[in-house]
Amino acid sequence: SQQGEEDPQALSIQEGENATMNCSYKTSINNLQWYRQNSGRGLVHLILIRSNEREKHSGRLRVTLDTSKKSSSLLITASRAADTASYFCATDESHGNKLVFGAGTILRVKS
Amino acid sequence: DTEVTQTPKHLVMGMTNKKSLKCEQHMGHRAMYWYKQKAKKPPELMFVYSYEKLSINESVPSRFSPECPNSSLLNLHLHALQPEDSALYLCASSLLGGRGSYNEQFFGPGTRLTVL
Repeated sequence: SQQGEEDPQALSIQEGENATMNCSYKTSINNLQWYRQNSGRGLVHLILIRSNEREKHSGRLRVTLDTSKKSSSLLITASRAADTASYFCATDESHGNKLVFGAGTILRVKS
Repeated sequence: DTEVTQTPKHLVMGMTNKKSLKCEQHMGHRAMYWYKQKAKKPPELMFVYSYEKLSINESVPSRFSPECPNSSLLNLHLHALQPEDSALYLCASSLLGGRGSYNEQFFGPGTRLTVL
């Protein structure tokens, strides 16, 4: 079963705007990871946030984690057309044995 | 070298064929993974190898047979597949995490498989 549920399912914005994607999960985790996938290609790891961290930055990316609400968000600032992709959260469950991927958010950035 | 390579990029096979997918990494990662991904869906884990030994098989049908000949190579042998097995097959690798946790995974570009 899928651990992470993401919303929105799809997001369309103009270049330069910010994009926010959310991920919710059900059980305790070791860490939560965000990946990007361009159409038909492999996934690219963006950022990993551990269960004892609340916020992490990497370039134009900002990830937050709220373990009390079992949720995370990914913010992409000043979006570019090249950010057009699918974005997946993946949870490393504390008592699980694998990374479990959410359904993903399809982001389209219009130039 | 931070790349995971996969061959072939595309594969079309009949239901009676035998074929193999190959994956290679030279990052010294001792965990390697096979995932299956259908269109517009997230990747689904199939197999995990740790230190060249199969550690997880997600109840995958026996027509898929993984093999890890050494710490850099991972194969997926295919035999008597069904049309519903058509998908993007992704290989990934990672450092082994402590206490069973999972580190970031590095993915290859995938093999697009079509079963006729």
